[in-house]
This record gives sequence, C-alpha cells and structure tokens, in this order.
Amino acid sequence: QKEVEQDPGPLSVPEGAIVSLNCTYSNSAFQYFMWYRQYSRKGPELLMYTYSSGNKEDGRFTAQVDKSSKYISLFIRDSQPSDSATYLCAMANTNAGKSTFGDGTTLTVKP
Amino acid sequence: NAGVTQTPKFQVLKTGQSMTLQCAQDMNHNSMYWYRQDPGMGLRLIYYSASEGTTDKGEVPNGYNVSRLNKREFSLRLESAAPSQTSVYFCASSYQGGEKLFFGSGTQLSVL
Repeated sequence: QKEVEQDPGPLSVPEGAIVSLNCTYSNSAFQYFMWYRQYSRKGPELLMYTYSSGNKEDGRFTAQVDKSSKYISLFIRDSQPSDSATYLCAMANTNAGKSTFGDGTTLTVKP
Repeated sequence: NAGVTQTPKFQVLKTGQSMTLQCAQDMNHNSMYWYRQDPGMGLRLIYYSASEGTTDKGEVPNGYNVSRLNKREFSLRLESAAPSQTSVYFCASSYQGGEKLFFGSGTQLSVL
C-alpha cells in the first residue's frame, strides 16, 4: 500500500463549481502537507503549504488537514478554466529531507 | 529570477547510450532532488541531496547516478539508457527539509 493515496480522477466540473480534491496517508509522522499545481508540460508549482492540522485559506483555495483521520483536502471555490491542471498532494516529516507525492488528480473546468 | 534551470528540455537516446541531465538553482537552497514522472504514477524520487556533499537514494535509484557538484548544481547521469527510463525528469530544490519544493521545467527523455 502506498504511503499517500490520492483520488485518481479525472475530474470535470463547470465553471463556478466548488471543487474538492482529497488525499489520505498512512504515515502518522507526516507534519508538512502541500498541494502542487501542474499545468500540462510544465513543472509542478507549490500552491498551498500547511504545517500540522487545521485550515489555511488563500483566495479561492482552502487547504484542510485532519491528522486524526490522516486525510487532507484542497477546496477550490468559484472554479475557473485557468484552474484546469493536475493537482498533486505531497507530505513530509521533520528531518526526512524529502516529500512523498500522491499520483495526482487531473481537473478540467469547462466554461 | 531563473529559479531552477534544467538542461536539456528534450533528448532522444538509443538503448545503451549515456547522458547527463544538468540542474542548477540560484535560490541558495541547501537541498536538491531528482524526480521522474510517468503517466498515472505521480512523481517518484530518484536521488536527493539534503546538503552540499551528501547524496541519498530515493524510491527508484537503479540505473542512475548523481553528483552534487556544488551548492547550486546537481546532475543526474544515465550510464546505459534503457527504454524503461523513458520519462519526464524534474529537478527540484528546497531551502531545507524537502517541503516547499521549487521545480524546474522538466526534461522529456525518450530511449529507443
């Protein structure tokens, strides 16, 4: 079983919809939780970063971490066609020196 | 700012040929990473260097070697390329710790 499991998708939604992207994990030592966005033929870019549990909001994006359930989510409000991309969750623990990635969920937002 | 620069962007090799992928960062980051990305398999860590002078194996190191040339540069070498190494390769860096990664634009490698 993989340490990080991500809902595979693909996901297609109409413009303006609320999108929920999710990952589960098995390593209770993970303390850093990241979401990366990757446009086609580009490198991933860091979108959201959370330390430990709780919520973090940045504009239309909200990241949630529930360490008790080993579950993280990324919510996108008022989704736009420009949000069409692959979203990768990633996690790391202190002193590990590396992140573990989910396989990614491809999102398409249709005008 | 250039960030993380990878060369080349595209490469076609024949089975058995060797090549080196170059990566440089200008953010004064301590840690550098090489990932490969295959369809449906996400990002898999090949090798990483937590700090200048150290390198460690990741999830899929077989068939690869790395060199941390200095704090800025981290190269990935394929000694004898195989078709299974056809992939997109990404270099990344972070200040330390492996979170908050900054990625290069990738190298698309085909081995025939």
